[in-house]
Amino acid sequence: EVQLVESGGDLVLPGGSLRLSCAASGFTVRTYYMAWVRQAAGKGLECVSVISHGDAVTNHADSVKGRFAISRDESKNTLYLQMSSLRGEDTAVYYCARLNRGSIDYWGQGTVVTVSS
Amino acid sequence: DVVMTQSPLSLPVTLGQSASISCRSSQSLVFSDGDTYLNWFQQRPGQSPRRLIYKVSNRDSGVPDRFSGSGSGTDFTLKISRVEAEDLGVYYCMQAIHWPYTFGQGTKLEIK
Repeated sequence: EVQLVESGGDLVLPGGSLRLSCAASGFTVRTYYMAWVRQAAGKGLECVSVISHGDAVTNHADSVKGRFAISRDESKNTLYLQMSSLRGEDTAVYYCARLNRGSIDYWGQGTVVTVSS
Repeated sequence: DVVMTQSPLSLPVTLGQSASISCRSSQSLVFSDGDTYLNWFQQRPGQSPRRLIYKVSNRDSGVPDRFSGSGSGTDFTLKISRVEAEDLGVYYCMQAIHWPYTFGQGTKLEIK
């Protein structure tokens, strides 16, 4: 059974850093594109970062480029999102997602990031 | 960026009646393999999104056949026939072939 379990969300000061983790089971993260999708309270969905299968090519949305970095640890079958220079507008629920043939077929339960002083 | 535009943004429905949501993309979602990669997701209150439909019209396992997707190129529709209480929530269309992957604004299906 495919499962994605996020952790690491917290309350952080503006300008601070945080690392989110997504532990995957039931499949190997190396063999799929993986992504982080966020949702501010009462708002829509935004895909902020993606990492390809195999050679781990990454892409980031303009809203987080230069501040966020997506990566994976194949030995732990875990996806990460390293977030730095955090801003109030980064406050959101962050979902880990598996991409499959032009779609998201599995989502995690989400982890809450709050950026506030 | 590919802009996904949904309408309506709010959809009051009577239980047992049908509902229809439109999604328009600013670029073609036809991939080089000839398939069209348009997805529909449902998000119930307090839950993660759940995929309902992929590649325009393919229902996921466990999705009731009351849900159907149609369309081509840049214009797509999600239809829900005989709306039930469990269908209430927000529906999103989404494309994941052009980076950045983008979602529609969401359509809130609620009881009339």
